[in-house]
Amino acid sequence: GAGVSQSPRYKVAKRGQDVALRCDPISGHVSLFWYQQALGQGPEFLTYFQNEAQLDKSGLPSDRFFAERPEGSVSTLKIQRTQQEDSAVYLCASRSQPGQNTDTQYFGPGTRLTVL
Amino acid sequence: DQQVKQNSPSLSVQEGRISILNCDYTNSMFDYFLWYKKYPAEGPTFLISISSIKDKNEDGRFTVFLNKSAKHLSLHIVPSQPGDSAVYFCAASGMNRDDKIIFGKGTRLHILP
Repeated sequence: GAGVSQSPRYKVAKRGQDVALRCDPISGHVSLFWYQQALGQGPEFLTYFQNEAQLDKSGLPSDRFFAERPEGSVSTLKIQRTQQEDSAVYLCASRSQPGQNTDTQYFGPGTRLTVL
Repeated sequence: DQQVKQNSPSLSVQEGRISILNCDYTNSMFDYFLWYKKYPAEGPTFLISISSIKDKNEDGRFTVFLNKSAKHLSLHIVPSQPGDSAVYFCAASGMNRDDKIIFGKGTRLHILP
């Protein structure tokens, strides 16, 4: 497809379970971002990749959160030992050029994670 | 500490009239501002942007105004249409150095028939 895709669209996890969320960016896009959107809030930055390099992970809330993009295309956000406060929509976005904030970030539909 | 503030959680506007969505920011290092639109169960979609060297940018029915001295920007939609009903996010970033986009909490716009 032409846009950013994410899977699964919905995920329900029991507290303490590990989850993995996948992002397929637009083909050829160099930059990839992960955001967390809690209910009633705007998206909050988690981490940023330029190709396979994770250049900024300052937004990851704890060491339970881990992201990777080993071949510079598909990315996975992993959350270990999920907690109820991890319940949110996780958004992935890609952009064609690094360091060019005038280029648009294209967002995927998000994965809604519910931790029971 | 919210760096980008959208103080109106919701706004209702009659179809055909002007919708004005407001946004304030606190970080004077921001020099690029964006508006995103979001429908339910979809990701945010880029709408319009403005750099700090301008005070106005227009794209069809959408105009963004920037008042740097007041650290305030607004999005005008005229005329408002039913398909404009959505959540609108104001966002800000540095131009080149900082790739992070900081989002506000959003304003839900209802266009009334």
